[in-house]
Amino acid sequence: LAKTTQPISMDSYEGQEVNITCSHNNIATNDYITWYQQFPSQGPRFIIQGYKTKVTNEVASLFIPADRKSSTLSLPRVSLSDTAVYYCLVGDIGGATNKLIFGTGTLLAVQP
Amino acid sequence: EPEVTQTPSHQVTQMGQEVILRCVPISNHLYFYWYRQILGQKVEFLVSFYNNEISEKSEIFDDQFSVERPDGSNFTLKIRSTKLEDSAMYFCASRVSYMNTEAFFGQGTRLTVV
Repeated sequence: LAKTTQPISMDSYEGQEVNITCSHNNIATNDYITWYQQFPSQGPRFIIQGYKTKVTNEVASLFIPADRKSSTLSLPRVSLSDTAVYYCLVGDIGGATNKLIFGTGTLLAVQP
Repeated sequence: EPEVTQTPSHQVTQMGQEVILRCVPISNHLYFYWYRQILGQKVEFLVSFYNNEISEKSEIFDDQFSVERPDGSNFTLKIRSTKLEDSAMYFCASRVSYMNTEAFFGQGTRLTVV
């Protein structure tokens, strides 16, 4: 499983766009990139998944450059309720190893 | 929206006692997981379960732990003889298929061993 590196923490203000970058230099050909969000005392929640280029849903966008060695989760116009830990996960969703491995994540603190 | 349900939400037990944590995964999901999170630390994989058997387990998942899907709907995690260091949030998760990394997590059971 590819190792991921994210900033430990980030600060932002309400209404700003937040970009969280994850490095995964040894990503494999079959690996997908997935982001999860976790609020205190709750289970992680799926945000978005992608393989290459750009993916957008109602919550976030995921940008993946051509070499796929990094990815950026973009949260538009954050609010106080977006304060959470964000995890970047990389793995082969179709492989025998179907577990999700969480790193330390990025603690995003949104201030008024 | 379908959800994974865990019971109890909080359990306090004495060291050395057995505990059973219960989960009801989403009905059409095929892959099931247990994770734990010690306070202030990252989410750690314990075990994955597919086709009524363990498909993978971590080093944490030693002989004190076992999982079962007794009736086709419930998915349980048993800790035979709890230790103080077993105190953590335990999360159950399920996934519909191997082609989808969207795992749905329950709200967790907070286990406190005293």
